Amino acid sequence: AQTVTQSQPEMSVQEAETVTLSCTYDTSENNYYLFWYKQPPSRQMILVIRQEAYKQQNATENRFSVNFQKAAKSFSLKISDSQLGDTAMYFCAFMNGGATNKLIFGTGTLLAVQP
Amino acid sequence: NAGVTQTPKFQVLKTGQSMTLQCAQDMNHEYMSWYRQDPGMGLRLIHYSVGAGITDQGEVPNGYNVSRSTTEDFPLRLLSAAPSQTSVYFCASSRKGTGHQPQHFGDGTRLSIL
Repeated sequence: AQTVTQSQPEMSVQEAETVTLSCTYDTSENNYYLFWYKQPPSRQMILVIRQEAYKQQNATENRFSVNFQKAAKSFSLKISDSQLGDTAMYFCAFMNGGATNKLIFGTGTLLAVQP
Repeated sequence: NAGVTQTPKFQVLKTGQSMTLQCAQDMNHEYMSWYRQDPGMGLRLIHYSVGAGITDQGEVPNGYNVSRSTTEDFPLRLLSAAPSQTSVYFCASSRKGTGHQPQHFGDGTRLSIL
């Protein structure tokens, strides 16, 4: 069975600085997808970034980028130029490349951006 | 375009009561699923559906029933509520194509069982 581990329950960063959230996963599959979701206090689940396992190039979305290390099964999220609006719970998630859309989530990292 | 709509947003039940959490999407998505979110445990899959008439169990299905009679609706039923089912429930939908297609989440239902 696949598992997703986020070992940092809470993190803090100063506004305008850079922070990296860690995520490791375990799978025997070769075709899969990895995601980072943001959950602000409003409780919405917002997709931040997605990485296909078959792509070696790390995904980037504006100030958000990932460091995908397939052999190490590591998928960290880097937030550059942190903003107060980045304060949220961040979840790492795994999806098999099969015929279903099942997501397996980590336990989350609560990020606080300090002014 | 409403996206994924969950009702109600909040509900308090007594142990043993039954209720249905509603989920509707207007994007003609084939896939729909229900997750529960508990403190310190992330989101866990309860049940999912790959199309009308097809449902399957996720990681934590006990105590819940689902059906998918239409593409748009995917209700989650609690047959006899227990305090352990106190949680925040999320419904999600997406098109076929798994990771290529983004999942759309509803705003969640906060359920308290007394």
